[in-house]
Amino acid sequence: GQNIDQPTEMTATEGAIVQINCTYQTSGFNGLFWYQQHAGEAPTFLSYNVLDGLEEKGRFSSFLSRSKGYSYLLLKELQMKDSASYLCALRKAGSYQLTFGKGTKLSVIP
Amino acid sequence: EAQVTQNPRYLITVTGKKLTVTCSQNMNHEYMSWYRQDPGLGLRQIYYSMNVEVTDKGDVPEGYKVSRKEKRNFPLILESPSPNQTSLYFCASSLPGHPEAFFGQGTRLTVV
Repeated sequence: GQNIDQPTEMTATEGAIVQINCTYQTSGFNGLFWYQQHAGEAPTFLSYNVLDGLEEKGRFSSFLSRSKGYSYLLLKELQMKDSASYLCALRKAGSYQLTFGKGTKLSVIP
Repeated sequence: EAQVTQNPRYLITVTGKKLTVTCSQNMNHEYMSWYRQDPGLGLRQIYYSMNVEVTDKGDVPEGYKVSRKEKRNFPLILESPSPNQTSLYFCASSLPGHPEAFFGQGTRLTVV
């Protein structure tokens, strides 16, 4: 099976940088994904990692360390609109099944 | 516009009354799936489909059925809904080999 842990809530200041961590235990996976979900809306894809290392997409970056069972999402130059839940997900090896963590609710304050 | 469309968006029903939530995508995606989202539990997969006539159970399939007769449609069927199926439901689709899954806008179901 797969077990994914994320902090439940975080608060950060507008303009700052925030790192949202995700740790996991799994028997095998072929991708780690990050989704953003605003309250009452559908999740939207942000980033994914297959190999170890950093993937950068504008203000958002995601990092993966397979040996440590660890990923993080880095958000730079925070804006108020970044207030949302951030979901870490694993794609099961050999399939397209996604297993999601419970999500981290980020509140950006002025 | 590329999208995943779910209907209805909101539904209140009574225990035991069969219902269907429809999901349709216009992107020719092979892979489709259903999730439910509950406070404190996150998104959990109910069923998924790799292609037409190919479906399989996710993590929480009990009380649900699906069918995939056409590539674009993947309805979720609750034969005898119960109050513990009150939840927010999402349909999603994606292409094999592509990382991004596209989600529908969600269906908020209340079973009384």
